[in-house]
Amino acid sequence: GIQVEQSPPDLILQEGANSTLRCNFSDSVNNLQWFHQNPWGQLINLFYIPSGTKQNGRLSATTVATERYSLLYISSSQTTDSGVYFCAVEPVDGSEKLVFGKGMKLTVNP
Amino acid sequence: DAGITQSPRHKVTETGTPVTLRCHQTENHRYMYWYRQDPGHGLRLIHYSYGVKDTDKGEVSDGYSVSRSKTEDFLLTLESATSSQTSVYFCAIKSDRGPDTQYFGPGTRLTVL
Repeated sequence: GIQVEQSPPDLILQEGANSTLRCNFSDSVNNLQWFHQNPWGQLINLFYIPSGTKQNGRLSATTVATERYSLLYISSSQTTDSGVYFCAVEPVDGSEKLVFGKGMKLTVNP
Repeated sequence: DAGITQSPRHKVTETGTPVTLRCHQTENHRYMYWYRQDPGHGLRLIHYSYGVKDTDKGEVSDGYSVSRSKTEDFLLTLESATSSQTSVYFCAIKSDRGPDTQYFGPGTRLTVL
């Protein structure tokens, strides 16, 4: 099945720094989403981005489907950005199922 | 949050006992999913449903069964719980309106002793 790899696995930043999270996937996809899991465990949808670029406040995401990767940018990080970020993809096999990467843990220190 | 609730939110049970987790949605979305989250594995799909009485297996379905008798409810049953099923279980829906975005419930922490 499709493989989803996220990097880096862990990242520690000082408040105000910028960061880039990468998601590589091994096959063509219909759907790609980024999620943030906060320290209380809640999973929040950040972006639905099978291709192109989107921005939402300090966060933006870009997916280059032809090269099978997506990037999540966090600018001027805040302590509330801490948590785990997941990339998830839906293969083009018609399964209507998301396959998740193992996640990237971000810690933003004050 | 797409009106998704899960119950119970926490449960401790003993090996060999049956356990049922409930997912309830208020917006009548067609697709519903059950995932488990374990350290080092991310989220893995257990079962999903694409309509009333229509379900299919996911990546880690062994030891689990599901039922969906109403659009709004999706039940996950562990027929005989084992310690390897200690995990955090998440329910999700895929929105029928707009992009195919999944939204998650708050999760259920299950401990099997």
